[in-house]
Parts: sequence; structure tokens; C-alpha cells
Amino acid sequence: EAQVTQNPRYLITVTGKKLTVTCSQNMNHEYMSWYRQDPGLGLRQIYYSMNVEVTDKGDVPEGYKVSRKEKRNFPLILESPSPNQTSLYFCASNRGLPSYNEQFFGPGTRLTVL
Amino acid sequence: EDQVTQSPEALRLQEGESSSLNCSYTVSGLRGLFWYRQDPGKGPEFLFTLYSAGEEKEKERLKATLTKKESFLHITAPKPEDSATYLCAVQAYGGSQGNLIFGKGTKLSVKP
Repeated sequence: EAQVTQNPRYLITVTGKKLTVTCSQNMNHEYMSWYRQDPGLGLRQIYYSMNVEVTDKGDVPEGYKVSRKEKRNFPLILESPSPNQTSLYFCASNRGLPSYNEQFFGPGTRLTVL
Repeated sequence: EDQVTQSPEALRLQEGESSSLNCSYTVSGLRGLFWYRQDPGKGPEFLFTLYSAGEEKEKERLKATLTKKESFLHITAPKPEDSATYLCAVQAYGGSQGNLIFGKGTKLSVKP
């Protein structure tokens, strides 16, 4: 089954404790992206990657890191999480640029930073 | 600054009562406009991509249209299972090629 998977689905952590949210897709897609979704603010793009080793900032990259060492994986790293990073996070992938192909979203990771 | 505004924020319809959702956008050059559906607790699900003014796309009870300043998602004779949040997003030419900008969504409730 073609899908985007994220782990963990739920995470409660404390301020300053480094964490990684994994994202993996099995569709051989070049483009991958991370979003956060907050009430009243909607979906906002954090980082995206056009291909392996190519990443770029979205609208809200502060406090986040990403890496794209393999085509299928695009982990989101929070080096020193803070309470304002409490949010619902989505990973997504496309065969190419979003304007040309359907974008598939993962199921989401709900992160709480205390 | 590229911007997407959706209206209304929430819409309640009776089953069978047709209506439209609006997405107005401001971009330097439109590469594509997208509609998604999102159910509670789930990731957005792709519905349509529109590229140029005058373009229309249909899927079951949904029809998306595009002008130079806005897009409409028309829902004909909706059913309760159409209840969801509908998201609009745009991708612009220039700048960050992969950057998508989303609106805040319209929450649709269809009562039987």
C-alpha cells in the first residue's frame, strides 16, 4: 500500500530534550515536506526537500532541522524543543513538485512540549 | 507577500443544500492552486489541482473553479459524509519552488 508513515504518532516531552520525528514514504517520491498545524493558524510549511541532499526552508523553519540522506526518509529534528513547538505535525511527499503531482500526507504526529 | 484566505471559516448545511466555499489568493505568479479535504485527526487528502483561470475540475459532488484572484469549491447536494475541513493552498513561481502556502480552511458540517 502506498503510504507516508510517521513515528511516533503521539509524543509528550520536556523543554530542551532533543527529539526526532521520523517520516518515511514507499512511493519513490522525490519531494518531501514537513508542516505544522495549529488552531487558528492552519497548516504552515516548516521545511521541504526536492531530492536527496537538497533541502530548503518553508515559512516557519526556526527551531527545526531536517536531513535527507535517503530518498524514502525525511526526519524532523528538534534540537531543543520549547513549548511553542507543541503542535500537530504532518509529513508529506510528491512524485515531483506539488503543482504537478498529488501530494500524500502522513497521519500526523501530535507533539506536546512541557 | 503571498497569501491565501478562505471563507467562510465554518459552514453548516442541510443534506442536499448546495453551496460554495471560497479561496482568495495573492501570489506573484500562480504555479498551482490545490484543494484538500481533512477529516478530524487525519492528514489532508488531495482533491484537485488547478493551474489557470477558467479551469474547472469535478469529483463526485465537488467542483473546483479558478479565476485570477480566487477559487471556488462548489458542493452539490452534499451528504453527511462530506463533512470535513476543506483546505486551499497555492504554489507560486519564483522564490522557493517547493513552498506551499495554505489557507486556514473551511469547516463544513452537513446535517441529515
